[in-house]
Amino acid sequence: NAGVMQNPRHLVRRRGQEARLRCSPMKGHSHVYWYRQLPEEGLKFMVYLQKENIIDESGMPKERFSAEFPKEGPSILRIQQVVRGDSAAYFCASSARERWTGELFFGEGSRLTVL
Amino acid sequence: QQPVQSPQAVILREGEDAVINCSSSKALYSVHWYRQKHGEAPVFLMILLKGGEQKGHEKISASFNEKKQQSSLYLTASQLSYSGTYFCGTERSQGNLIFGKGTKLSVKP
Repeated sequence: NAGVMQNPRHLVRRRGQEARLRCSPMKGHSHVYWYRQLPEEGLKFMVYLQKENIIDESGMPKERFSAEFPKEGPSILRIQQVVRGDSAAYFCASSARERWTGELFFGEGSRLTVL
Repeated sequence: QQPVQSPQAVILREGEDAVINCSSSKALYSVHWYRQKHGEAPVFLMILLKGGEQKGHEKISASFNEKKQQSSLYLTASQLSYSGTYFCGTERSQGNLIFGKGTKLSVKP
């Protein structure tokens, strides 16, 4: 499968624990974006990364959330000290290295449940 | 500013047509349309870049009226496979899209 791969698909955490969500972009893509989706809501932009660089983090909460896209390996969205309000589906998307065409390729999401 | 979609939900029988509207209070330079089936990844349908532009994807087409700051998605002769939630999005910067809350479309046999 050459699509965007996310894992885990489902994650359950207790309040105060850490959640790590991983995303491998489509082959040949070097731009990664993270979105959050609450039930019955649209997708909300969180962060845009290229390899080893955060390009736009205007949608990231200031505390407890961080994202990285290392030179080797997947992009990781990390949520520290999770709270119930963090329960959501987190989608990763990627786009090609060439000129931005406007098309995002989404993964199937990681669904975080905080107990 | 989040675009506003209407209607919130629509139920169709196979073969019927539907229109989904997307409007913004701010100037629009492009409109993106995605479809998301329950529990699945959102899938890109089309992007409209110019005022008055129309595009098509299978039997799904869209128009973009820059002056009215709105876009409409037209689904003709709907099929069961068209069921899902449709999102319009406006672009703040590369990859940074502001999506509406979605329109849930259910096509019944």
